[in-house]
Amino acid sequence: NAGVTQTPKFRVLKTGQSMTLLCAQDMNHEYMYWYRQDPGMGLRLIHYSVGEGTTAKGEVPDGYNVSRLKKQNFLLGLESAAPSQTSVYFCASRLLTSSGRAIGTQYFGPGTRLLVL
Amino acid sequence: SQQGEEDPQALSIQEGENATMNCSYKTSINNLQWYRQNSGRGLVHLILIRSNEREKHSGRLRVTLDTSKKSSSLLITASRAADTASYFCATGLNSGGSNYKLTFGKGTLLTVNP
Repeated sequence: NAGVTQTPKFRVLKTGQSMTLLCAQDMNHEYMYWYRQDPGMGLRLIHYSVGEGTTAKGEVPDGYNVSRLKKQNFLLGLESAAPSQTSVYFCASRLLTSSGRAIGTQYFGPGTRLLVL
Repeated sequence: SQQGEEDPQALSIQEGENATMNCSYKTSINNLQWYRQNSGRGLVHLILIRSNEREKHSGRLRVTLDTSKKSSSLLITASRAADTASYFCATGLNSGGSNYKLTFGKGTLLTVNP
């Protein structure tokens, strides 16, 4: 049981380049989230998904797109990277019980460090 | 805008001492959670307290919640060097159906000196 994994661990991009960050979870969780963490800012929610095929915007969605084609994977895309997107990106997942009750705890991946030059 | 605000921003103590961190928030919540983040790692869930609870314990951790003051505290007793990490409070709110999100504070950096 690997939990939540993220690839890559570190990436350097030039302004205008594109890339996709992959998040995978093997806990059969319904909910998945993408956050960014910047110094002194805590975690801010970018996008989230409440199930396969669904996505929604979070607090800071501009410049990012997401897809949830499979329940276990949540992809975060940067179409045209900007220096302001230099950050550490965390994926998280959360369980929805069979009774439809959401459990509050989120399980986080180890993070992806992204540097945009 | 940030929902939770931790205080202090940084705390340095000696091993064996107790560490207390506080969190204040602005709006009604369903629950409040505390997470720990070791340097360069992801966040790890420590404890969740529901809005109808006032105190909760887990090992050396004690969390209190005062909904009238919109504040929470995390107490770590008998601290160890391994407790050195950043600690975040996160407020959870169900704003209808599946629209459940956590809002994180900026964190308290705890340093426990051996």
